[in-house]
Amino acid sequence: GDSVTQMEGPVTLSEEAFLTINCTYTATGYPSLFWYVQYPGEGLQLLLKATKADDKGSNKGFEATYRKETTSFHLEKGSVQVSDSAVYFCALNNAGNMLTFGGGTRLMVKP
Amino acid sequence: DSGVTQTPKHLITATGQRVTLRCSPRSGDLSVYWYQQSLDQGLQFLIQYYNGEERAKGNILERFSAQQFPDLHSELNLSSLELGDSALYFCASSVDGLGDAFFGQGTRLTVV
Repeated sequence: GDSVTQMEGPVTLSEEAFLTINCTYTATGYPSLFWYVQYPGEGLQLLLKATKADDKGSNKGFEATYRKETTSFHLEKGSVQVSDSAVYFCALNNAGNMLTFGGGTRLMVKP
Repeated sequence: DSGVTQTPKHLITATGQRVTLRCSPRSGDLSVYWYQQSLDQGLQFLIQYYNGEERAKGNILERFSAQQFPDLHSELNLSSLELGDSALYFCASSVDGLGDAFFGQGTRLTVV
């Protein structure tokens, strides 16, 4: 079946550092790929998505490129802020019914 | 605010009991999904409804059931509760079951 693997956290960075959170997937066909963010005590918010190979999703300074050859969708941000501290989930949607999530990566940004 | 409303926010109940979690989707969304988030299992898909009909089923226990009503709100019923059912239960909705899913803030269930 489909699966998503994320790097384990926590990832601890200083403010303005560069962020990469790795995500790889296993799926048949051509899934859509997503990053969701969960701030403390809140639900999941869609951060960005890509629906086909080589697409780049971007939002709020975050970017991720759909790489079919490496089955990856790594999340990057050039300069993180304390307010980016949250748990980030990579997910895929294959055949449109449900999201399959990775285990989540906690990001902690220190001033 | 995603527009998806879940009630209650918190629920504490004893083992063996039954509870009902409620979800109101975003206005115009026909599809509702239920997910369970626990420390050991992560985020797991339970079940999806589209316009009142079950569309997909994931790792949902037989003790759990759900339905979507004509006004499109959904309820997740959990019965014969066990300690291991303690988790955060999320509802999400999408327009047509294919597009972006928007999540509610979740119901935190604690079974004691």
